[in-house]
Amino acid sequence: NAGVTQTPKFRILKIGQSMTLQCTQDMNHNYMYWYRQDPGMGLKLIYYSVGAGITDKGEVPNGYNVSRSTTEDFPLRLELAAPSQTSVYFCASSYTGLAGDSEQFFGPGTRLTVL
Amino acid sequence: DQQVKQNSPSLSVQEGRISILNCDYTNSMFDYFLWYKKYPAEGPTFLISISSIKDKNEDGRFTVFLNKSAKHLSLHIVPSQPGDSAVYFCAASPLPYNNNDMRFGAGTRLTVKP
Repeated sequence: NAGVTQTPKFRILKIGQSMTLQCTQDMNHNYMYWYRQDPGMGLKLIYYSVGAGITDKGEVPNGYNVSRSTTEDFPLRLELAAPSQTSVYFCASSYTGLAGDSEQFFGPGTRLTVL
Repeated sequence: DQQVKQNSPSLSVQEGRISILNCDYTNSMFDYFLWYKKYPAEGPTFLISISSIKDKNEDGRFTVFLNKSAKHLSLHIVPSQPGDSAVYFCAASPLPYNNNDMRFGAGTRLTVKP
């Protein structure tokens, strides 16, 4: 099993550009999550999904969009990149949505810089 | 508003000694607590957890202590090994422990010197 994979590993965007961060898991997990981590801060949840076709906002959803057309994939879309979106982005998945019931598995992260 | 705080950005410990990583929280609704470990260029991995019905949970060299009245938890690593050098994140979740309600601390970078 590859676990949770993310592409790209690094990306530099200009203000106003758009991009999609890819996330794929091969563990047949129902739940998937997108987090961002800013310097000196904890991970903050952007969006999550409880299954194919179902997504919901997390703590910091503004400026992002997601879709979940398959169990395996959960792409994160930035439509108009802003410097405030400079961050490290982590994708995660879990079999259930409950902490203590099933562990969250994280991808290696995507480091995004918006200039 | 940081509901989970790790006030020490870094900690350096000699191999074989005890490492103590601290975490404070402000939300009294938090009821389940986790520690994650993160190596460079990798995602966080789950390490150990504790629910509020316990004040201690042990897994090998790792022990988590919870003091609910003080809203404080700590992770003890004994004995510390160079391979423990990583960033450690504390996280907390309120009932019913949904992952999407979890809040994370900023992390403490532990360096274990040989």
